[in-house]
Amino acid sequence: DQQVKQNSPSLSVQEGRISILNCDYTNSMFDYFLWYKKYPAEGPTFLISISSIKDKNEDGRFTVFLNKSAKHLSLHIVPSQPGDSAVYFCAASPKSYSGNTPLVFGKGTRLSVIA
Amino acid sequence: EPEVTQTPSHQVTQMGQEVILRCVPISNHLYFYWYRQILGQKVEFLVSFYNNEISEKSEIFDDQFSVERPDGSNFTLKIRSTKLEDSAMYFCASRKNEKLFFGSGTQLSVL
Repeated sequence: DQQVKQNSPSLSVQEGRISILNCDYTNSMFDYFLWYKKYPAEGPTFLISISSIKDKNEDGRFTVFLNKSAKHLSLHIVPSQPGDSAVYFCAASPKSYSGNTPLVFGKGTRLSVIA
Repeated sequence: EPEVTQTPSHQVTQMGQEVILRCVPISNHLYFYWYRQILGQKVEFLVSFYNNEISEKSEIFDDQFSVERPDGSNFTLKIRSTKLEDSAMYFCASRKNEKLFFGSGTQLSVL
């Protein structure tokens, strides 16, 4: 039962271009979404988040878009840099996110930024 | 910057043996978690821990699993009798506000 789906296991992008990573979810109770980035031999690190009251959140080169009606979110990286090459995980949490509420993760998308 | 540390980075064990995976969460965090990722699959929630007790656990976290915070700093995951399918990368995490901070993981290989 995949509540959070990242249907593209991998993505290759030229340096300087836009990277778009997609994520779909099925549980309408999710209302807080996060993106994590993972380098080899390291744990996931928090990148950016968005709550369901917004449809866009921007932090430097990273922007997350949320389409609640489509149950879809995307992460845009502009411009992409070689150091962005990593596995990106989408994660979601039900309403009233609290410490006891576990995040539900997707399988991840491996982004390769080619110089 | 404070970080979550996990030891060992790799653990190889025989099926049926007990293993203890260790974690030191960030000191002023209150919520602690174990997640795991089987190779090629999603990151799966195992258990959350708050105020010295389990607050939530998944179906994966059966009687073979237990967690402890024995001394106020370490946070351990014990698997009593390992199975082949327990082979995975195990991540510890601690939380402040909305962000989870993960350790580098312990790669558990059950032979």
